[in-house]
Amino acid sequence: AQSVTQLGSHVSVSEGALVLLRCNYSSSVPPYLFWYVQYPNQGLQLLLKYTSAATLVKGINGFEAEFKKSETSFHLTKPSAHMSDAAEYFCAVSDPVYSGGGADGLTFGKGTHLIIQP
Amino acid sequence: DAGVTQSPTHLIKTRGQQVTLRCSPISGHKSVSWYQQVLGQGPQFIFQYYEKEERGRGNFPDRFSARQFPNYSSELNVNALLLGDSALYLCASSRLRAQFFNEQYFGPGTRLTVT
Repeated sequence: AQSVTQLGSHVSVSEGALVLLRCNYSSSVPPYLFWYVQYPNQGLQLLLKYTSAATLVKGINGFEAEFKKSETSFHLTKPSAHMSDAAEYFCAVSDPVYSGGGADGLTFGKGTHLIIQP
Repeated sequence: DAGVTQSPTHLIKTRGQQVTLRCSPISGHKSVSWYQQVLGQGPQFIFQYYEKEERGRGNFPDRFSARQFPNYSSELNVNALLLGDSALYLCASSRLRAQFFNEQYFGPGTRLTVT
């Protein structure tokens, strides 16, 4: 079974500071990994995804994440936080093995609420 | 292009009632998935439908059911509502079935409150 752990339900950074949101996964096989962002009263928007190509993945809005197999991690970073980055961030994992009759859904972490201090 | 649309936006029901939520995928997308997001938690996978057939099911009771229509829109039905069913229900569409390499596009969700 696959699972995702996001360390820190709330992260607060100052505008212009580095953003680091942590995600660790558990999967029986090398997984596909995703980061989504959710703004208030909206659905989820994909920031970036890892699909076994380059370990450093660049996404939208200046975010990037690095897949580290030895640490089973996929942390999200942004060099300089902007007020518009304030939102809920979710890490998700998907087992690439096509099971046919099994669930093909994403498994999400509980989310990290990013607060940007002016 | 229009994104994923869901209706209604908000819904209030009483325990024991039944509810139907609707989702229209992005044009050209054949796969629709449903997720439940309880306040303060990440979304949980309920169903995936592809080409009008159920292709995946999460760990939800039989009170939850869904279907997909020939135009690829979808309905999620929940019977005998419980207080614990109060949540944001998200619909996501993708072009193909395999969601791990196809980007899923999420709708804004339907906020269901059970009293």
